Formats: sequence, structure tokens, C-alpha cells
Amino acid sequence: GQQLNQSPQSMFIQEGEDVSMNCTSSSIFNTWLWYKQEPGEGPVLLIALYKAGELTSNGRLTAQFGITRKDSFLNISASIPSDVGIYFCAGQLGTGNQFYFGTGTSLTVIP
Amino acid sequence: DGGITQSPKYLFRKEGQNVTLSCEQNLNHDAMYWYRQDPGQGLRLIYYSQIVNDFQKGDIAEGYSVSREKKESFPLTVTSAQKNPTAFYLCATVREHGRSGYTFGSGTRLTVV
Repeated sequence: GQQLNQSPQSMFIQEGEDVSMNCTSSSIFNTWLWYKQEPGEGPVLLIALYKAGELTSNGRLTAQFGITRKDSFLNISASIPSDVGIYFCAGQLGTGNQFYFGTGTSLTVIP
Repeated sequence: DGGITQSPKYLFRKEGQNVTLSCEQNLNHDAMYWYRQDPGQGLRLIYYSQIVNDFQKGDIAEGYSVSREKKESFPLTVTSAQKNPTAFYLCATVREHGRSGYTFGSGTRLTVV
């Protein structure tokens, strides 16, 4: 399967700090997604991106579809304790249904 | 409310036993997927099905089997041939040609005792 390299693997930050994470691939994707997974639950979709250069926000979260179409970025501003979880990127090749997932970024917010 | 129901939430299996994990959806989505998640790791694709009565192996299909007899249901059987089955299993669905991504169930945690 496709390999998506997601970094950093984990982050420990103070409440109120901003967070940045990214996802890169050797393949060109036509869709990028960002999910959040809380312990013992399934991932929940945060943001979907559909074209190169697109910048989309969802509250304090902002994600960008990289110009090369091989990467994507997620930023969280002014982190709060409920931001804790694992964040996954996912990319889709062509028009097929299957998405490929990054290895996840585990976020811990220290109050 | 439309959604995906995975059951049971927790499952314990003795070595050498087969167990079946249930995934039911009422979203009318065409494609269904099974993923395995190990602690601190990403999602690995086990099997997927894009239409009824058809399914394809994913990256780690050995030791697993599935069926897709109706659109709403995609059960996963973890067989005794799966040597390390303890993991968190996630079912997901997506509309045909959907670019809006997967909808996930809440997962089943399988533990071998």
C-alpha cells in the first residue's frame, strides 16, 4: 500500500500553544483528509481538502493541501486539553474509494 | 440517525478460536472497509468491499475472512490462523466515488487470553 509519512510522531505541548503537523507522500493525491481519534473510539473527520493550495479552517484547526499535491499540513491554534488525541492524515489517489493513512501524530496538551 | 455500528465493543478470544466482529451501517454507503490498529501505530487495511458479494484483500488479509451478503453488513472473522490478533479493529464506509472520506465505527477491541 501507499506510504504516508506523518510527523511528528508525538507532541507534548502546553495549553495555549499552537501545533503544527504534516504528512508527505511519494505519490500525488487528489484528496487529503485530516482525522482525530480519541482513545477507544474511531477516527472522526476534521477537514477535507480537494485541490492543490486549498486552505480550509474548522474552528481553531486549519489545514492546507500542498502545492505539489504530495503533502498536507494541519495547524491547531491555542490548544486546549480536549485537543488530546491522535491525528491522522489520509490521502486518496485518483477517483477510487480507498484512502491511505498516515501513521498518526499523538498530541498531549498539558494544562 | 445514520451511522455505523460495531459490536461487540470488547471481545476476548481463547487461542485457537475463531471470532466474528460485526459491522452494520445504515448510511446506504457502497464501500466498506476493515482496518486493524495496533498501539501507537496507524491503520492497516485488512479487507474491503465495494459492492455486495465482492471483496478484496488489503495489506494484511492473512488470518482473516469476510463476507458481504448484503449492503448493510460486512462481518470480519478473525481465524485461528491469525497469530497475533490482539488489536483494535475499525470498520469504515464510504459512498461510491466518495471524496468526502470514510465514516468510522467506534471499533472493537479484541484480546486473546
